[in-house]
Amino acid sequence: DQQVKQNSPSLSVQEGRISILNCDYTNSMFDYFLWYKKYPAEGPTFLISISSIKDKNEDGRFTVFLNKSAKHLSLHIVPSQPGDSAVYFCAASAKTGANNLFFGTGTRLTVIP
Amino acid sequence: ETGVTQTPRHLVMGMTNKKSLKCEQHLGHNAMYWYKQSAKKPLELMFVYNFKEQTENNSVPSRFSPECPNSSHLFLHLHTLQPEDSALYLCASSQDTASGGKTQYFGPGTRLLVL
Repeated sequence: DQQVKQNSPSLSVQEGRISILNCDYTNSMFDYFLWYKKYPAEGPTFLISISSIKDKNEDGRFTVFLNKSAKHLSLHIVPSQPGDSAVYFCAASAKTGANNLFFGTGTRLTVIP
Repeated sequence: ETGVTQTPRHLVMGMTNKKSLKCEQHLGHNAMYWYKQSAKKPLELMFVYNFKEQTENNSVPSRFSPECPNSSHLFLHLHTLQPEDSALYLCASSQDTASGGKTQYFGPGTRLLVL
């Protein structure tokens, strides 16, 4: 059973608008969450992370929000740019274990110029 | 070279072949990982090495055999694979596997096709 879920396989957004990518998880032991971005024929690139002691982390145009009670996190990109078009993966790891990352299936973001 | 590199980028092999995937990280990290990404499935962790010691084997069939000679290099030896093993194999590294060192940095992957 998947412990990290990204229920939207794709998202299209107009350039300059906000992109919101969502992720849900089931394991209450997860304490560290990451977003990765992946272009075709490349490996995932680390984008931003958040620890469970926070509910928001911001880095430039990217902000990650964590709602522990809902077991939900989201990535906001504003303003969206055509270069942001890629597949975005949500990942999580638990307090115990060998830093295993559990990934969602990804959301393909298309930013329309 | 910077970051995490993987060779080869593409590999086609028969079910009776033996081949090896290579990963090298230039980040000074102590932990390295192998992941498998099959079509329309999330990345699946296969193996974890921390300070050259294997700390995780995620129920991977024995036809996949990892080797970590030092903290910078990781190999995945392949033998008698099945067509369903065709996938993208990704290597990653992190500072270590302890709290605070959890961000993993990925290589570009090896696209494997088993005929």
